[in-house]
Amino acid sequence: RKEVEQDPGPFNVPEGATVAFNCTYSNSASQSFFWYRQDCRKEPKLLMSVYSSGNEDGRFTAQLNRASQYISLLIRDSKLSDSATYLCVVNIPNNNDMRFGAGTRLTVKP
Amino acid sequence: DTGVSQDPRHKITKRGQNVTFRCDPISEHNRLYWYRQTLGQGPEFLTYFQNEAQLEKSRLLSDRFSAERPKGSFSTLEIQRTEQGDSAMYLCASSLETLNAEAFFGQGTRLTVV
Repeated sequence: RKEVEQDPGPFNVPEGATVAFNCTYSNSASQSFFWYRQDCRKEPKLLMSVYSSGNEDGRFTAQLNRASQYISLLIRDSKLSDSATYLCVVNIPNNNDMRFGAGTRLTVKP
Repeated sequence: DTGVSQDPRHKITKRGQNVTFRCDPISEHNRLYWYRQTLGQGPEFLTYFQNEAQLEKSRLLSDRFSAERPKGSFSTLEIQRTEQGDSAMYLCASSLETLNAEAFFGQGTRLTVV
């Protein structure tokens, strides 16, 4: 089983839509979780950390489900500028390094 | 600019040649990561340093790959006897040592092996 798995998509949604991505991880001892955003031909950048209680940043909501070992990202009122690849990131407890999912590609259309 | 910098940005090399890439992390960051990314895939973990200690190396990494971080500052990634399958974007990232520390990425080195 891969350490971090994501639905690769692509997700094609109209402006204003709500879209959700899920990510599962294999190591139950993982403690840090993140969503990164990567634009075409650019480096990944942190979108938001994911906390146990769930957290929200404007139109973005991240949730963690430890029992089922998955994290989610919800984007409300999608904008054209949200088009990107969204990468799920989980730490590996032994050394605390980070592993990335393959990414979920989102295209928001007018 | 005090971000993560990588050099060179692009490298074209002939199969069989050795290449070396450099990464300068953000100065106060003691963690440094190397990843490889191919088109349509997420960054694939290669190796990880905490200060000068290399704490983890991917099992997928062949013996042709070696990385160093001699003084706990900049790092180098060397690929010996390059193969066409090594063509990819090589990304370096750095972070603080705290639990939920954000990793900052450099712009990457794009390697093309011909």
